[in-house]
Amino acid sequence: DAGVIQSPRHEVTEMGQEVTLRCKPISGHNSLFWYRQTMMRGLELLIYFNNNVPIDDSGMPEDRFSAKMPNASFSTLKIQPSEPRDSAVYFCASSLVDNQPQHFGDGTRLSIL
Amino acid sequence: RKEVEQDPGPFNVPEGATVAFNCTYSNSASQSFFWYRQDCRKEPKLLMSVYSSGNEDGRFTAQLNRASQYISLLIRDSKLSDSATYLCVVNKGTGNQFYFGTGTSLTVIP
Repeated sequence: DAGVIQSPRHEVTEMGQEVTLRCKPISGHNSLFWYRQTMMRGLELLIYFNNNVPIDDSGMPEDRFSAKMPNASFSTLKIQPSEPRDSAVYFCASSLVDNQPQHFGDGTRLSIL
Repeated sequence: RKEVEQDPGPFNVPEGATVAFNCTYSNSASQSFFWYRQDCRKEPKLLMSVYSSGNEDGRFTAQLNRASQYISLLIRDSKLSDSATYLCVVNKGTGNQFYFGTGTSLTVIP
């Protein structure tokens, strides 16, 4: 069975550019999570969707970040404009039902120059 | 106080040793607990769930102490392949949100 699929695996872009990260959750999972991981801050939850509806976006750093989930099989995380401090590994995860463990994608390694 | 706290280590142990990690959590309403493993430059992967009565999976044993609000992971007969970062995960109490610890680094030495 396919796991969580993220794209791209790596992204290097210049400050000020728009960045779009994509995620396909495991089929049948009703919850989707976007995380950011850095050495300094560890794994941080950015936003969480349940049945395609954003439930908690309190972890989104600022207005430059936005996330959508137009259907059960696709989500995007967008940064516009990007800044060097956004450089991190961004993970998408999904889970089947409440309180069940989350399954992570391979992550997107983002570098903003 | 952080929702989940772990000793970051690093723990450097010889092959065959037994090593234990603890993790404390602050929300007494938390109901679900997990240990994840993360290899360098990889995604976190579920290692095992932690049940109230304690549970074992091969060389790995997980324990939960609700009174003191901590969970533990014991690894017996350490293998080189156990070298990784171990993340403690605790749910928020309601809904489907989890807190991840910053991880404990383990290196098993030949």
